[in-house]
Amino acid sequence: EPEVTQTPSHQVTQMGQEVILRCVPISNHLYFYWYRQILGQKVEFLVSFYNNEISEKSEIFDDQFSVERPDGSNFTLKIRSTKLEDSAMYFCASSADRAWSGNTIYFGEGSWLTVV
Amino acid sequence: SQQGEEDPQALSIQEGENATMNCSYKTSINNLQWYRQNSGRGLVHLILIRSNEREKHSGRLRVTLDTSKKSSSLLITASRAADTASYFCATDADAGGTSYGKLTFGQGTILTVHP
Repeated sequence: EPEVTQTPSHQVTQMGQEVILRCVPISNHLYFYWYRQILGQKVEFLVSFYNNEISEKSEIFDDQFSVERPDGSNFTLKIRSTKLEDSAMYFCASSADRAWSGNTIYFGEGSWLTVV
Repeated sequence: SQQGEEDPQALSIQEGENATMNCSYKTSINNLQWYRQNSGRGLVHLILIRSNEREKHSGRLRVTLDTSKKSSSLLITASRAADTASYFCATDADAGGTSYGKLTFGQGTILTVHP
């Protein structure tokens, strides 16, 4: 069964460093997302991406965050200058079409980011 | 407002028993999805129910949706130890067709199935 794959599975970084989390969405999907889950808290929406531009973003997704689809398969989340509070599990997700029309959003296994 | 709140927060049952988890939400929705998460792992999609559907089945899973009460339930029948996980509902708020997949998750129900 097709799946969303994410790398790295774990990353430890120093505060202030840049981090890039990578994702390969399901191949025929057109909508891409990043969510995060701080330990013990709810899964939170960060951003959605379609047709090479951001469709929607949350308040969490400030200027420190950016997303990119550098080629036909990868989708990346960059955090420019990490803070301690960025420590979380980051999930990439994708869907074939707009979620509101009844399309399932499939999530990857996540990337654990620890900022020290 | 808080969207997608599950109860109970934790549920402990014996193998073979049924497990029922509930989810309540505040705003109108397009769809409601249930996900499962094993400890420290990714979110596995279980089932999606549209706002115009009342009940849906998938294997041992049964989901109901009551839009008048803004609530949903997930029933797992004949539970197995392997069903031990956290279960989340996630709602896709009805924003007039302008939502692009912003799911709002609840805190989840931690299900423990004892062998």
